[in-house]
Amino acid sequence: AQSVTQPDIHITVSEGASLELRCNYSYGATPYLFWYVQSPGQGLQLLLKYFSGDTLVQGIKGFEAEFKRSQSSFNLRKPSVHWSDAAEYFCAVGAREYGNKLVFGAGTILRVKS
Amino acid sequence: DVKVTQSSRYLVKRTGEKVFLECVQDMDHENMFWYRQDPGLGLRLIYFSYDVKMKEKGDIPEGYSVSREKKERFSLILESTSTNQTSMYLCASSSPVYEQYFGPGTRLTVT
Repeated sequence: AQSVTQPDIHITVSEGASLELRCNYSYGATPYLFWYVQSPGQGLQLLLKYFSGDTLVQGIKGFEAEFKRSQSSFNLRKPSVHWSDAAEYFCAVGAREYGNKLVFGAGTILRVKS
Repeated sequence: DVKVTQSSRYLVKRTGEKVFLECVQDMDHENMFWYRQDPGLGLRLIYFSYDVKMKEKGDIPEGYSVSREKKERFSLILESTSTNQTSMYLCASSSPVYEQYFGPGTRLTVT
């Protein structure tokens, strides 16, 4: 069965430091990959997506992610974190073979210290 | 911009009450989804719908039902609430390009 793993439940970084959030997936198909962000008490907002082509994708708010097929990973990065980036981040995976459903990871909570 | 709205942000219900959670999207999307979100478990799919009057079970359908009478509207029904249904409920919609758009969520507390 398909699954998505976000190994880090919590991450704390200093404001201005770089950030990398990890995502690994297990999918028997060519995946479509997404990162979403959720601020406290809010719904999920799409940060970026990968369908095909260039494996380094740019998103909103200065985020980027790199698809590495050999490692089954889609890690999210940001070169300099701002206090407003504190939120929960979800990786999600879909595939044509599984219809329009997505499978979500358990989420990573990002704390930013000043 | 796509807009997905949910009928309530917060609800408090007593055990055994019936609850309707309504979701409306304004982008003519074919697909609509209901998830519940619990700490440490991420989002789990309850039900989804590919078209009007069409529904399919997700991973955790027990204790829930859904209704989709119009394309823009997808309702989640809890016939008889229990305390283990206390959770955040999120609705989403998508066109067949997989990217899902989410509503703000309804935090349901069952006492």
